[in-house]
Amino acid sequence: EVQLVESGGGLVQPGGSLRLSCAASGFTFSSYWMSWVRQAPGKGLEWVANIKQDGSEKYYVDSVKGRFTISRDNAKNSLYLQMNSLRAEDTAVYYCARGGRGIAAVHFDYWGQGTLVTVSS
Amino acid sequence: DIQLTQSPSFLSASVGDRVTITCRASQGISSYLAWYQQKPGKAPKLLIYAASTLQSGVPSRFSGSGSGTEFTLTISSLQPEDFATYYCQQLNSYPITFGQGTRLEIK
Repeated sequence: EVQLVESGGGLVQPGGSLRLSCAASGFTFSSYWMSWVRQAPGKGLEWVANIKQDGSEKYYVDSVKGRFTISRDNAKNSLYLQMNSLRAEDTAVYYCARGGRGIAAVHFDYWGQGTLVTVSS
Repeated sequence: DIQLTQSPSFLSASVGDRVTITCRASQGISSYLAWYQQKPGKAPKLLIYAASTLQSGVPSRFSGSGSGTEFTLTISSLQPEDFATYYCQQLNSYPITFGQGTRLEIK
């Protein structure tokens, strides 16, 4: 059974940092694109970042470029999101999601349960 | 960036109704479109990918169509468990974007 379990969320002050983790199981993690998607309270879905199977390609939404870094450790079946210089508008539930096995990102067929990040003083 | 506009944003319907949600892209995206269902407090669930391919395990009352700039999600006969928020998503180019969502409520 495919499982994605996020952790690392919490309350952080503006300007602070946080590192999210996503532990994957039930599939060959190193074969898939992986993504982070967030959802601010009461709002819609926003894609945040993608990473290719071997980590050689990474893509970000403009609003997080230069502040967030997506990474993965295929030996540990884990996906990460390092978030620096956090702002109030980064407050959201952050989901990790599985993409496709090909050369390009495709739909997200499995999602974690999400972890809440709150940026507030 | 490619904008996705869903209509309607809110839909009130009854069990057994046939409903259609439209997603329009600001530029052509071929068939690189997916549909998701989200219930309160839960993660999104993939329904349709490549515009019209039903994800494994999703009931056949869900269907998708379209290509280019106009797409539709149809639920042929609403069931109580279908009342949720629906999102379209384009994966034609970065940044990947979602529509604003369509909230489907019980009339």
